[in-house]
Amino acid sequence: DAGVIQSPRHEVTEMGQEVTLRCKPISGHDYLFWYRQTMMRGLELLIYFNNNVPIDDSGMPEDRFSAKMPNASFSTLKIQPSEPRDSAVYFCASSSLARTRDAHEQFFGPGTRLTVL
Amino acid sequence: QKEVEQDPGPLSVPEGAIVSLNCTYSNSAFQYFMWYRQYSRKGPELLMYTYSSGNKEDGRFTAQVDKSSKYISLFIRDSQPSDSATYLCAMSVNNDMRFGAGTRLTVKP
Repeated sequence: DAGVIQSPRHEVTEMGQEVTLRCKPISGHDYLFWYRQTMMRGLELLIYFNNNVPIDDSGMPEDRFSAKMPNASFSTLKIQPSEPRDSAVYFCASSSLARTRDAHEQFFGPGTRLTVL
Repeated sequence: QKEVEQDPGPLSVPEGAIVSLNCTYSNSAFQYFMWYRQYSRKGPELLMYTYSSGNKEDGRFTAQVDKSSKYISLFIRDSQPSDSATYLCAMSVNNDMRFGAGTRLTVKP
């Protein structure tokens, strides 16, 4: 299995531009998570999906952030408009409830390093 | 107060040393307790997990959970330079995961 795939790996954009991050979870996993990691705040859960349905988006910082999961093999995280304080590494992770009683064994992608100038 | 507190370090030890990493937490509802390892410019990967209180051993790694004190630990015996990474504690309940800030560990040859 290729693991969780994220694209792009690096994104540099200017303030005010729209940014779209993409994620392909591991096949067969029914949970998908989006995280943001910064030096100041560490790893923060933004939103997670179960069977393509958003379950908890309380970590999404503002209305500028939105996430979708149109099917079991693809999810996007969109920031519009982007701001310099959005600069961070964004990770996607997936897990399978069939493997554990709680989706704690999450498999992380390599991350997207976002820089907003 | 953060839900999960972890000393960010950095922590530097000589090869062969015993390393102790710790986290405290405030939410008594947490049921699963994990340690993730993150190498530079990579995503975190699960190292160990325990359910509720107790100890778990896997090779050179031992995880301990004390729910009464809301305290978890990871011990690394005979540390190796390849153990150099950031170690993040994590805990979850009902699929909601909370991570510590991570402790950066360097093991010097």
